[in-house]
Amino acid sequence: NAGVTQTPKFQVLKTGQSMTLQCAQDMNHEYMSWYRQDPGMGLRLIHYSVGAGITDQGEVPNGYNVSRSTTEDFPLRLLSAAPSQTSVYFCASSYSDGKLFFGSGTQLSVL
Amino acid sequence: AQKVTQAQTEISVVEKEDVTLDCVYETRDTTYYLFWYKQPPSGELVFLIRRNSFDEQNEISGRYSWNFQKSTSSFNFTITASQVVDSAVYFCAYSGTYKYIFGTGTRLKVLA
Repeated sequence: NAGVTQTPKFQVLKTGQSMTLQCAQDMNHEYMSWYRQDPGMGLRLIHYSVGAGITDQGEVPNGYNVSRSTTEDFPLRLLSAAPSQTSVYFCASSYSDGKLFFGSGTQLSVL
Repeated sequence: AQKVTQAQTEISVVEKEDVTLDCVYETRDTTYYLFWYKQPPSGELVFLIRRNSFDEQNEISGRYSWNFQKSTSSFNFTITASQVVDSAVYFCAYSGTYKYIFGTGTRLKVLA
């Protein structure tokens, strides 16, 4: 089993550029979520989804869009990248028991 | 609003010492879950334990043990006889209805 797969692992953007972080899971989890990790701030929830076609905002949703067209995929879109979005991004999924399985992370730098 | 506090930013111990990582949470929910995750230097996030709000029984898994006390809103994590491989950042997390809230993490350094 691949588990949760995130791509790319590293990305450098210029201010104003857009991009999509990909996340896919093969465990048939209904719940998927995106987090950003910044030094000294732990992980903060950006968006989450409880099933295909259903998404909702987390703690820090501004500047990010998500969609969930299939159970497997939950891409995160940066509409117009800003330096404040420089961070490490993690995708995670879980069954209803809440135990999160995380992807390996994406290190994003916005110049 | 819910909140998770890990007041210990960094702890250093010598190998074989016992160490306790503190976690305090705030909530008005009656049903919730608490978690601990480990982030080793390689960067991945690894699940350690889940506890629901109705189960205050302490748990032991090898050298790891967890103490959940609703009366003090705490969910502390103890590593007995620490090893260098335990060096990592440890996160405590809370979940009510689908939204997860993580503490800021405690960096544990175990020195040989």
